Amino acid sequence: GQNIDQPTEMTATEGAIVQINCTYQTSGFNGLFWYQQHAGEAPTFLSYNVLDGLEEKGRFSSFLSRSKGYSYLLLKELQMKDSASYLCAVLDSNYQLIWGAGTKLIIKP
Amino acid sequence: DTAVSQTPKYLVTQMGNDKSIKCEQNLGHDTMYWYKQDSKKFLKIMFSYNNKELIINETVPNRFSPKSPDKAHLNLHINSLELGDSAVYFCASSQDNNGLAASTDTQYFGPGTRLTVL
Repeated sequence: GQNIDQPTEMTATEGAIVQINCTYQTSGFNGLFWYQQHAGEAPTFLSYNVLDGLEEKGRFSSFLSRSKGYSYLLLKELQMKDSASYLCAVLDSNYQLIWGAGTKLIIKP
Repeated sequence: DTAVSQTPKYLVTQMGNDKSIKCEQNLGHDTMYWYKQDSKKFLKIMFSYNNKELIINETVPNRFSPKSPDKAHLNLHINSLELGDSAVYFCASSQDNNGLAASTDTQYFGPGTRLTVL
């Protein structure tokens, strides 16, 4: 079966750095997405990785290792507005998006 | 301008009723989707649709049916609503879902419709 695993919840301090991990087992791989979802709002696109390595975009970076079936989202200089759920999703061999359950990130002052 | 819009934003109805949720995208995308997000916040794909193919998640009851009058619209019709249908329903769209360029499969979501069945 296809499976995406992420921690259910994480807590971090304002100004700090947090890494949210995602591991996947899917039938094929055509890329991995990270989305941010604030409570009561729609998911919004953060990043896309299809090749191994680190993609940096401002305070957010996303890493991919295809051989390990592993990705992480790194958030630096955390702000209170970063409190949200972070969803990992993998595009499988049929170009269907398989979603993780999301990681709820709580930022404390 | 809103890229992906849904109406209504909130829908409260009685068990057994039939209701529709509308979705429109002005991004010129080829593929549209419907998702259900339950109380545990897990996004489940219900349908994906472009002008070539409708893909239905086999777990979706046939009380749910997508209707697409044109490429920019994908409405969701639900018959005989049940209590378990209460959830937030998201519409989304992506530019290209035929495998030519996976990066264009980035999905853009509408604001969601919170359905409550009483």
